[in-house]
Order: sequence, then C-alpha cells, then structure tokens
Amino acid sequence: RKEVEQDPGPFNVPEGATVAFNCTYSNSASQSFFWYRQDCRKEPKLLMSVYSSGNEDGRFTAQLNRASQYISLLIRDSKLSDSATYLCVVNGGYGQNFVFGPGTRLSVLP
Amino acid sequence: GAVVSQHPSWVICKSGTSVKIECRSLDFQATTMFWYRQFPKQSLMLMATSNEGSKATYEQGVEKDKFLINHASLTLSTLTVTSAHPEDSSFYICSARDWADQETQYFGPGTRLLVL
Repeated sequence: RKEVEQDPGPFNVPEGATVAFNCTYSNSASQSFFWYRQDCRKEPKLLMSVYSSGNEDGRFTAQLNRASQYISLLIRDSKLSDSATYLCVVNGGYGQNFVFGPGTRLSVLP
Repeated sequence: GAVVSQHPSWVICKSGTSVKIECRSLDFQATTMFWYRQFPKQSLMLMATSNEGSKATYEQGVEKDKFLINHASLTLSTLTVTSAHPEDSSFYICSARDWADQETQYFGPGTRLLVL
C-alpha cells in the first residue's frame, strides 16, 4: 500500500461547481498535513496546511480525520484558474521528510 | 514567503555529459535541502536529502555515484547528474527547509533536463 493515496482523477467540472478531493495516509505517526497545487511544468506551491479542527481559506476548506487517516479538500465555486494538479502531502513528524501523494488533476471547464 | 532559486531553469545536453543544478535559499538558512525528480504525469519522487556539511542520504534505488550532491553552505546545494543518459531526462526540483521551521519546505522553480 502506498504511503499517501489520492483520488485517481482527473476531475472535469464546470465553472462554479463544488469539487472534493480525498486523500488517505498509512503512517499513523504522521504529524502535519498539507495540500499543494502544481501547475503544468511548474513547482508545487503550498495551498494550505490541514489542521485537526479543519480550516478554511476563502473557497477552500481542508479537513483532517486522524482516526481514519483521511484528509479532504473542498473547493467551492470553482474558477478556471483552479485547474491544476492537487497534491496531498504528509509529513512524518518534526524534521521528517514530506511524502507526496500521486496528485489529482482538476480541469475547470467554461 | 521564503524564496528558493534553481539554476539553470532548463538544460539540454548530449548523452554522456554531466550537468550541475544549483539550489539556493535566498532569504533563509537551510540546514536541509531535498532533491526531487518528477517524470511526466507522475508525482514528485524524493531522490535524496542533503544536509549541510555532511553526506547526502539517498532514497532506495537512487545511485549516489550518478547523482552527486554537495551541500557546502547553509544556502546552497548542488546536484550533478553524471554521464547523463536520455532516461535521466526529467524535471528536477529542489526544496529547502528553514532551520527555524522544520515543518515547512519551500520549493525551487525546478530544472527541466533533456538529454539527447
């Protein structure tokens, strides 16, 4: 089993739609969690950290369920500019390495 | 946020030559830098962890004699792809971790390598 797994995608949605991405991780000792987005031929950029209490940043909401080892990202009112690959990233703990999920490709269509 | 630069941004070379890629942290000290490789339509794969002043730690399956890593200062790590072959063509991305914030990695813009 891979350390971090994500919805296989791709997701093709119309503008204005709400889309949700799921991610599961296998290392129960993992301490911190992130969502990154990566545009084609570019480096990953931090979208948001994920906290146990859940957190929201504008149209983006991230949630973490430690018991189920599950992370989600919800995007409301999708924009064309949201089209990218979304990477779920798990950090094993202080000073540990990041483990990247395979990514889920999102295409928002006009 | 913190800035990490990479140079060059892209390179084309002949098979058998060596290519050096630089990764610099511009406004913070990075005791640890990471080198990733990404093939088309695949996720980032960690190649090695580079610690300032010590030998790099390579992931399983990555040849340390082929991918030479030097982290001589707190702001610079280099990756040298020796005797490059077409199968080494990939997108190489570095990231750096601020010694004061061990949970965050800042990514460089990547280097696209094409070996002919």
